[in-house]
Amino acid sequence: AQSVAQPEDQVNVAEGNPLTVKCTYSVSGNPYLFWYVQYPNRGLQFLLKYITGDNLVKGSYGFEAEFNKSQTSFHLKKPSALVSDSALSVCAVPLTRDDKIIFGKGTRLHILP
Amino acid sequence: ETGVTQTPRHLVMGMTNKKSLKCEQHLGHNAMYWYKQSAKKPLELMFVYSLEERVENNSVPSRFSPECPNSSHLFLHLHTLQPEDSALYLCASSQWGQGTEAFFGQGTRLTVV
Repeated sequence: AQSVAQPEDQVNVAEGNPLTVKCTYSVSGNPYLFWYVQYPNRGLQFLLKYITGDNLVKGSYGFEAEFNKSQTSFHLKKPSALVSDSALSVCAVPLTRDDKIIFGKGTRLHILP
Repeated sequence: ETGVTQTPRHLVMGMTNKKSLKCEQHLGHNAMYWYKQSAKKPLELMFVYSLEERVENNSVPSRFSPECPNSSHLFLHLHTLQPEDSALYLCASSQWGQGTEAFFGQGTRLTVV
């Protein structure tokens, strides 16, 4: 079955340290991949996407993500975390390029001051 | 501001009440979605409308009834809900068939008492 997996429920990082949030996918073909973030009491906000080309994608708020086809992963990264980055991060992938989007269960980012 | 507006932001209703959630998008998209977000669960896709036709109904109980009168508006009519239906209901829109990301509203926090 096609799926998106986020193995960590929560990631704790000290402010100023780098953060990584893991995402792996299982879909056919060459996928599009998205990351969203949800701040408290807000809807999901689009962060970045991979379509083709450079495996390192840069997005909003200093986040970036690295596509690795051999490992079927699309990990979210930020070189230096801020307390304001504390949020739910959600990985997503369209089942096909013409179809609905499926989401991972989300990983809660907790940035410690 | 994502261009997708949901009202109300919060709703408390009794199990015998009838209420409706409203979603409006100003992005010129041709597909709209309802998602349910419960604590510690992945986003659950409920309904998809593409070009105002319902293309997906993910085994949602009949106490949830969607309506899409035009490409800019989406409603979710609620009646005789159960306490376990309490959740954040998110509306999203996208351009169907182009593999682009969906944009989300801020959600309606529903509490069934």
